[in-house]
This record gives sequence, C-alpha cells and structure tokens, in this order.
Amino acid sequence: EAQVTQNPRYLITVTGKKLTVTCSQNMNHEYMSWYRQDPGLGLRQIYYSMNVEVTDKGDVPEGYKVSRKEKRNFPLILESPSPNQTSLYFCATKKGQLTYEQYFGPGTRLTVT
Amino acid sequence: GENVEQHPSTLSVQEGDSAVIKCTYSDSASNYFPWYKQELGKRPQLIIDIRSNVGEKKDQRIAVTLNKTAKHFSLHITETQPEDSAVYFCAASISNFGNEKLTFGTGTRLTIIP
Repeated sequence: EAQVTQNPRYLITVTGKKLTVTCSQNMNHEYMSWYRQDPGLGLRQIYYSMNVEVTDKGDVPEGYKVSRKEKRNFPLILESPSPNQTSLYFCATKKGQLTYEQYFGPGTRLTVT
Repeated sequence: GENVEQHPSTLSVQEGDSAVIKCTYSDSASNYFPWYKQELGKRPQLIIDIRSNVGEKKDQRIAVTLNKTAKHFSLHITETQPEDSAVYFCAASISNFGNEKLTFGTGTRLTIIP
C-alpha cells in the first residue's frame, strides 16, 4: 500500500530539548516537503527536497533543519524547540519535478512547553 | 514570494445549496492551483486542481475556475451534502525546474446545515 508515514504522531516536549520527526514514503517519490499548520494561518511550507541531497527553504524555515540522505526519508529536526513551534506538522510527497499532486502524511502534533 | 488570500474564513450553507470559496494570488508566474479538503483530525487531501492553461475544470459536484488576468480562482460545490463539511484550502504553486514551493491560503471552514 502506497503511503506516507510520520513518527511520532504526538509529542510533548520541553523548550530546548532536541527532537526529530521522521517522514518516510514507499512510493519512490523524488519530492518531499514539510508543512506546519496553525489555526488561522493555514499550512505553511518549512522545507522541501527535490531529491537526495537537494533541499531548499520554504516560507518558514527558521528553527528547523532537514536532511535527505536517502530517497524515502526526510526527517525534520528541531535543534532547540521553543513554544512558538507548537503546531501540527505534515510531511508531503509528490512524484517529482513538474508533477503536481502532493500526498500528505497523517500529521504530527507537537507541543513545546 | 507568493501570497494567497482566501475568503470567506467560514461558510455555512443549507444542504443542497451551492458553496463558493474564492482565492487570490500575487505572483503572476504561478501556474498550478490545487484545492485540498481537510476533515476534522485528518490529513489534507487533494479534491481538484487546475493548471494555468485551463480556465475551468469540473469533477462531478465540484468545479474550479481560474482567471489569470485578475489572479483569482474559485471552488464551486453544488448540491452540497453533509459530508462536504470540512476545511478547504486553496494553494498556488510555481512548478518549474528548481522551484517547487506551494503556498496555501488560510482555509475556509464549510458547514453544511441539514
């Protein structure tokens, strides 16, 4: 079954404690992206990756890091989380350049206290 | 960068009536305009999309129209049903080599009144 998975699905952590949210896909998609969703602000793109070792900033990259060492995985790293990073995070994938539909993962609800 | 505005933020319609959600975008280079539906507690799912070389696209009860000159596009849902209740997001993208950013609107919460 084609799918995008995220782990963990829920996380409560404290300010400054490094964390990683994983995203994995089994569709052999080249493109992967991270979004955060906040009430009244919609979905905002954090980082995206067009292929292995190719990443670029989205609209709200501050405080986040990503890596794309292999095609199927695109982890989101928060080196020093702060309360303003409390949000619902979605990973999304699409087949490749000049293809259009993005497939979203189930989401990760992060709370930073 | 691209800016997408979406209106209204909330919309209530009687079951069976039509619903219209409107979005405007700022970057004339945007060439792809998807609409996503997000049910409570679920992930966004693509319901319809349109590319800049097309003015209108229809899929059963939903349709999207695009006015490139005015830089706005709209989602039309006819014969609304209770299962249409959800949050709807428009988005705009410049999809070309080296640039794959997708900018979303702030969402419309659609409630269908039985």
